[in-house]
Amino acid sequence: AQSVAQPEDQVNVAEGNPLTVKCTYSVSGNPYLFWYVQYPNRGLQFLLKYITGDNLVKGSYGFEAEFNKSQTSFHLKKPSALVSDSALYFCAVRGFTGGGNKLTFGTGTQLKVEL
Amino acid sequence: DAGITQSPRHKVTETGTPVTLRCHQTENHRYMYWYRQDPGHGLRLIHYSYGVKDTDKGEVSDGYSVSRSKTEDFLLTLESATSSQTSVYFCAISELRMGTGGFGGTEAFFGQGTRLTVV
Repeated sequence: AQSVAQPEDQVNVAEGNPLTVKCTYSVSGNPYLFWYVQYPNRGLQFLLKYITGDNLVKGSYGFEAEFNKSQTSFHLKKPSALVSDSALYFCAVRGFTGGGNKLTFGTGTQLKVEL
Repeated sequence: DAGITQSPRHKVTETGTPVTLRCHQTENHRYMYWYRQDPGHGLRLIHYSYGVKDTDKGEVSDGYSVSRSKTEDFLLTLESATSSQTSVYFCAISELRMGTGGFGGTEAFFGQGTRLTVV
């Protein structure tokens, strides 16, 4: 069965500092990996994805993620955090079973960026 | 925003009553999903659909059923609501397109959510 682990419930960082939100995954076959962000009382918004190719993926709002196959990780990064980045972040992996495909999410990491 | 509408947005219901949540899309996407979001659990897949009348169970399907009689609508039914089903429910849609790396690379788009309270 496929799974995603986000080991940190919350990450605190000062504005202007780099941030990292960690994600590790388990899936059969090639991994298709995603990051989403959720603001209060809103649905999830897509940030970026890894399908194949370069291990460093760039996405929306200055975020990027680094895919590491040997460590089965897909950490979300941003060189300089903003207060407005404070939100709940979800990592997800897509796998294929039967006739369909499942998108499995981690438990989420609350990012808090302070002045 | 992708054309996904969930209804109702908020609902309070009594234990033991049936409840149906609706997800409507205008994107003609093949895949539709129902998730529930609970603190400490993230998003957990309830059921998903990979075509009209084609559905499969997710990790927390007990007590829920789904139906998809046409591409644009995916219904989630709580047969007999319980307090443990109090949650925020999200619908999502996605499509598969062949590209570099094969299928599987498209992202999912989410609805705004339905807050369900079972009293």
